Amino acid sequence: NAGVTQTPKFQVLKTGQSMTLQCAQDMNHEYMSWYRQDPGMGLRLIHYSVGAGITDQGEVPNGYNVSRSTTEDFPLRLLSAAPSQTSVYFCASSHGNRPETQYFGPGTRLLVL
Amino acid sequence: AQKVTQAQTEISVVEKEDVTLDCVYETRDTTYYLFWYKQPPSGELVFLIRRNSFDEQNEISGRYSWNFQKSTSSFNFTITASQVVDSAVYFCALRGNTGNQFYFGTGTSLTVIP
Repeated sequence: NAGVTQTPKFQVLKTGQSMTLQCAQDMNHEYMSWYRQDPGMGLRLIHYSVGAGITDQGEVPNGYNVSRSTTEDFPLRLLSAAPSQTSVYFCASSHGNRPETQYFGPGTRLLVL
Repeated sequence: AQKVTQAQTEISVVEKEDVTLDCVYETRDTTYYLFWYKQPPSGELVFLIRRNSFDEQNEISGRYSWNFQKSTSSFNFTITASQVVDSAVYFCALRGNTGNQFYFGTGTSLTVIP
C-alpha cells in the first residue's frame, strides 16, 4: 500500500490563481480530511468527508472547495489564491470502523505570492 | 467547545534527560479520543498513540509513556532518557464522538542537545 499520497509536494502560485491539491489513499478508508499547518497555530481542519459524495466544513473552510466523487480521492481546490493561504497542507484518512485513528500524507507546501 | 492546549512552545533538554510534554484538553463529549503525533524535521506526521476517554490506564512504550488524567483533563507525554532523534515538534490532538473533527494543539518543539 502506498498509504496517503499528496501531489504536488511544493507549489508556488500568484495571487488570484487557482489550483487543486491532490490527495489519494489506497486503504479503502471512508474518512478523509484536509488540514493546514501554520507556524504557532498547529493543524487546523479545512474540510472533511465521511464517505464518497459527503463533505463538510471544518474550522477554516473559507477559500477552499472539496468534492469526494470516489472513495480514493479527495482533492482540495483553491479558487483564488491569496497570500494568507501560504501554508503546509496535510491530507489524512481513516477507516470507518476506526475513524479516530488517522493516517497523514506527506504534505504539500504552498507559497502564494 | 473542543480545545487542546499545549502551553509549552519550546523545550530544550540535554541528551539522556527525561522530559514531559503537557497537554490539556476541553470537551463536552463524554466519549472522546486523545492522540499524540510527532513531526520530525522532515515534516511528516507520525502517529504515536491513541487513548479512549473510557480507558484511563497509563501506557508505556519503550522510552515513551503517557499519563491520562480525566480529573485534570490532561494527557501528558514523557520521554525517558531522551535522544537526539527525539528532536521534533509534538502535537496533542482531540477527537469527539461525532463527525470527524480533530482538534490539534499548537505543538511543542523539543530539542535534544547532544
